[in-house]
Amino acid sequence: DAGITQSPRHKVTETGTPVTLRCHQTENHRYMYWYRQDPGHGLRLIHYSYGVKDTDKGEVSDGYSVSRSKTEDFLLTLESATSSQTSVYFCAVGTGDDEQYFGPGTRLTVT
Amino acid sequence: AQSVSQHNHHVILSEAASLELGCNYSYGGTVNLFWYVQYPGQHLQLLLKYFSGDPLVKGIKGFEAEFIKSKFSFNLRKPSVQWSDTAEYFCAVDGNNRLAFGKGNQVVVIP
Repeated sequence: DAGITQSPRHKVTETGTPVTLRCHQTENHRYMYWYRQDPGHGLRLIHYSYGVKDTDKGEVSDGYSVSRSKTEDFLLTLESATSSQTSVYFCAVGTGDDEQYFGPGTRLTVT
Repeated sequence: AQSVSQHNHHVILSEAASLELGCNYSYGGTVNLFWYVQYPGQHLQLLLKYFSGDPLVKGIKGFEAEFIKSKFSFNLRKPSVQWSDTAEYFCAVDGNNRLAFGKGNQVVVIP
C-alpha cells in the first residue's frame, strides 16, 4: 500500500456531463499516472505527470484532461462523458524508473 | 514506443499444475520489465521485476521469470499453482518512465 486513494470509487453519470476523478497520494512520489482498464485491452495510459503542473499525454488521451496543482493530487477530467469512457480507472504513482504502485480504482459508468 | 505481447489470454488449469505465461516486448532501448497480478476485484500488485543482473528473477508467492534478451522475452513461471493464484497477470515494460502493459492473461485454477 503506497498510500493511494481514489475518489469516487464508483460513479454513474449521463452522457455529455463532465466528470472529475481524484487521485491522492501520501508518499510524495514524483510521477503520477492515470490508466483505464477494459476487457481485452489491459491497461492503457491516459495521461501522466512528472511533477507539479508538468503533465503529458498517454496513448488514449482524447476526451480527457488532467491537472496537478499539488504533489499529492492528480485529477482526471472527462470533459463531456461518452459511453465509450465507461471503464475502470486506475491511478498509479512511482519514481519514474521503478515499479508503479496502483490505487484501488474507480468504476465509472456512463449511461 | 514500447509494446508488449501476451499470448494465451485465458488459461485454465488444475491445482499443482505448472504455469508458464509468455511475454514478448519491442523496444529499442534499455528496458525494465515487470509482472503484475490483479486478484479478482483488486488493484494491480507487483509480482516481480527485472532491471539488470541475473536474468532469472524470483518474485513473491513462488513466481519466477526469465529475461531472454535475444528473444525479447520475459516469461513468467510457477512450478505448482494453487487455487489462490486465480487472477489476471500483466506483463509490463518501462521505457522513458512510462509503463506499457500487455493485454493480460486470465488464469483460472480449478481446485
